[in-house]
Amino acid sequence: AQKVTQAQTEISVVEKEDVTLDCVYETRDTTYYLFWYKQPPSGELVFLIRRNSFDEQNEISGRYSWNFQKSTSSFNFTITASQVVDSAVYFCALLTNNAGNMLTFGGGTRLMVKP
Amino acid sequence: SQTIHQWPATLVQPVGSPLSLECTVEGTSNPNLYWYRQAAGRGLQLLFYSVGIGQISSEVPQNLSASRPQDRQFILSSKKLLLSDSGFYLCAVQWQSSYNSPLHFGNGTRLTVT
Repeated sequence: AQKVTQAQTEISVVEKEDVTLDCVYETRDTTYYLFWYKQPPSGELVFLIRRNSFDEQNEISGRYSWNFQKSTSSFNFTITASQVVDSAVYFCALLTNNAGNMLTFGGGTRLMVKP
Repeated sequence: SQTIHQWPATLVQPVGSPLSLECTVEGTSNPNLYWYRQAAGRGLQLLFYSVGIGQISSEVPQNLSASRPQDRQFILSSKKLLLSDSGFYLCAVQWQSSYNSPLHFGNGTRLTVT
């Protein structure tokens, strides 16, 4: 069975602070894919990144970075120098080789960035 | 360009009334299509997915149904809505039909059943 845990339900930071959103996953499959999505107040989910289980390189995209650690089954997301526009709910998700088309989402972390 | 059209954006329906939500996509052929629901909290629940015309897989038994009458059209329906059907309904598409390609979501329909 697949499971994704986002232990932080809400995080509040002040603009320009760095913030890390945690994601821990569980699977017995050796081939799997991890995703992050952003859901701003408008509601639509925006795809941010996909990482496969064989690529442990960390990724940086502007102020966003992702730290994939297979040893701890974690795929954490860091926003550097946060901005008010980063306020949203962020979802981590897992897709495994044997799960067909079923993406397993975590419960989400609501990030509030205050000016 | 690849776009997802989902409508209506909001809907208020009485208990027992029928429902029809439509999702159409442009810019691709034979995409994988999905319906998700997000209830009052934040969790996302997969309702249906389709890998082709007339092919529907249901993940959760309920009073909802889905149909795919055309390659780029996915419809979510109900004959009689329940209060528990209230939520935010999201259509999603995989632009590439491989199972591991990212899902891209429409703007959603916020349904309130009264």
